[in-house]
Amino acid sequence: IAGITQAPTSQILAAGRRMTLRCTQDMRHNAMYWYRQDLGLGLRLIHYSNTAGTTGKGEVPDGYSVSRANTDDFPLTLASAVPSQTSVYFCASSDSARGDYNEQFFGPGTRLTVL
Amino acid sequence: GQNIDQPTEMTATEGAIVQINCTYQTSGFNGLFWYQQHAGEAPTFLSYNVLDGLEEKGRFSSFLSRSKGYSYLLLKELQMKDSASYLCAVSSGDYKLSFGAGTTVTVRA
Repeated sequence: IAGITQAPTSQILAAGRRMTLRCTQDMRHNAMYWYRQDLGLGLRLIHYSNTAGTTGKGEVPDGYSVSRANTDDFPLTLASAVPSQTSVYFCASSDSARGDYNEQFFGPGTRLTVL
Repeated sequence: GQNIDQPTEMTATEGAIVQINCTYQTSGFNGLFWYQQHAGEAPTFLSYNVLDGLEEKGRFSSFLSRSKGYSYLLLKELQMKDSASYLCAVSSGDYKLSFGAGTTVTVRA
């Protein structure tokens, strides 16, 4: 593994189903993030984690949950998917030890369609 | 809250120069990033400014004025491969970035 990986690459999901998007990084970064990207709205932060064992809410957290059991993994769960959650989801990480220099590295994205 | 504005679209000719402006109003400021995102791909880092002035990196330069809440990304000697979206993002503390909606640049032959 090099950098950040996400799975699945794409998914079509029936409304009401539960879905977990996976994210793994091998850079030993402390901080990780989940964004959704919608046309005309740019990247919006869903949840973040500054270090293993802690998580926080971003701009659009409703309908999503995350966990951070270890440094490498940061899964995003949709408990009961709705069509408005159709989007492209990006996971990112950064080295919080670098203080204010918060360059984020992005995974390849998951394209999710909820019908 | 955070407010980051950039134009939606720009078109330029191969070999030309394009300047993408970004204005921001944020609750804190720890630096400004520019990312490039090709269609269907992940954003990738282009530049970082934390002090006022111009940062040059090959054909790309980025400028920052903190007092004006203003930045621009300058793309010189445009190539077809520069057709992409360019995202302005502000770091305002707590290791988070706030992104603008992005500017789609189309380079024509």
